[in-house]
Amino acid sequence: EAGVAQSPRYKIIEKRQSVAFWCNPISGHATLYWYQQILGQGPKLLIQFQNNGVVDDSQLPKDRFSAERLKGVDSTLKIQPAKLEDSAVYLCASSLTRTEAGELFFGEGSRLTVL
Amino acid sequence: AQSVTQLGSHVSVSEGALVLLRCNYSSSVPPYLFWYVQYPNQGLQLLLKYTSAATLVKGINGFEAEFKKSETSFHLTKPSAHMSDAAEYFCAVRPGGKLIFGQGTELSVKP
Repeated sequence: EAGVAQSPRYKIIEKRQSVAFWCNPISGHATLYWYQQILGQGPKLLIQFQNNGVVDDSQLPKDRFSAERLKGVDSTLKIQPAKLEDSAVYLCASSLTRTEAGELFFGEGSRLTVL
Repeated sequence: AQSVTQLGSHVSVSEGALVLLRCNYSSSVPPYLFWYVQYPNQGLQLLLKYTSAATLVKGINGFEAEFKKSETSFHLTKPSAHMSDAAEYFCAVRPGGKLIFGQGTELSVKP
């Protein structure tokens, strides 16, 4: 079974530029998550989708971050304009359901460096 | 709100020694608790999870964790450390579908 795919793996940009990350979840997984992991910290949830609807985006900095999940499958996370503090690994995860006992499966992440 | 606290950002053990990584949770209701491992430049992989079926949970790679309600703890242990166990370990709780992580504990294993 294919895992969660993310691209690009690495991206270096200058502040005020824009960047986009792509995620393809495991086939059939209805729930998709984007997490931000800053060096030395635990992952922090940015946004959660159920199919193509947003369930939780309370911690998404909406003035610069946006995310969408087209047709309830792939998802993109965009940052525009980027700030230095956005340097982090952006992890995408998916799960079959939203039930609390279910497992989240994570991609390898997209590492962003903002100069 | 539910949360987890990991005690100790860095733990170092010798190969063959006991591994103990500490996690305490804050929840007014029985939580669903997880331990994930992250190897360098990789995503997170589930080690084990507690879903109230049994207090002692066995996971992959010889790890296990015990849920102790009286201590609000869910510590991760492994009897004998191996060099390949060197990684970052995260405790997490899952209220309402989303996963909330602790700060992480980096495990180093000395030969």
